[in-house]
Amino acid sequence: DIQMTQSPSSLSASVGDRVTITCRASQSISNYLNWYQQKPGKAPKLLIYTASTLQSGVPSRFSGSGSGTGFTLTISSLQPEDFATYYCQQDYVTPLTFGGGTKVEIK
Amino acid sequence: EVQLVESGGGLVQPGGSLRLSCAASGFTFSSYWMHWVRQAPGKGLVWVSRINTDGSSTNYADSVKGRFTISRDNAKNTLDLQMNSLRDEDTAVYYCARYYYGSTGYYIDYWGQGTLVTVSS
Repeated sequence: DIQMTQSPSSLSASVGDRVTITCRASQSISNYLNWYQQKPGKAPKLLIYTASTLQSGVPSRFSGSGSGTGFTLTISSLQPEDFATYYCQQDYVTPLTFGGGTKVEIK
Repeated sequence: EVQLVESGGGLVQPGGSLRLSCAASGFTFSSYWMHWVRQAPGKGLVWVSRINTDGSSTNYADSVKGRFTISRDNAKNTLDLQMNSLRDEDTAVYYCARYYYGSTGYYIDYWGQGTLVTVSS
């Protein structure tokens, strides 16, 4: 199975900060990498697919980059509604695997 | 509007069985692969199973293989997960999810609200 490793596991940031979350795959997954946001008690929500394509309706402050084994999710200016847990997920091979999550908290 | 509504969760004893269902609406159900993903309390997301459009192809996580069975009824727009020989570690919220598989990539684009399965004596 492909292991997905996210870092950091949690971070504290202020509104307006630039936030970067990294995700590393245990082997190359080309650009088959998706990012999800999950708020407490809610289902995950797709933010970015194929590493860098913004899902319809997602604010442009979210962006993704990377290919192969290294990927990043960037929030250019953190907003109050962005405090949540973020997961990366590879869709290169079955089983689909998720990173352990990054919890973004208010500083 | 795409809607996925899970049902069937609850409390079950170890070794018992449970059948989860997901009612889909707002899209052409028969055109989409579907997945189940679970999340243990306070933990991350874990993929469980997937099924192709006509139900002829299925895949399972090793942890549930031989115990869980995914199926679909395209006439009724429903997705099911039959769970047998349940273990404590199967305790989780189970999400039904729609899967996009096409020229722009492969990804889960819609999730249900989840249904809680608790395995405990």
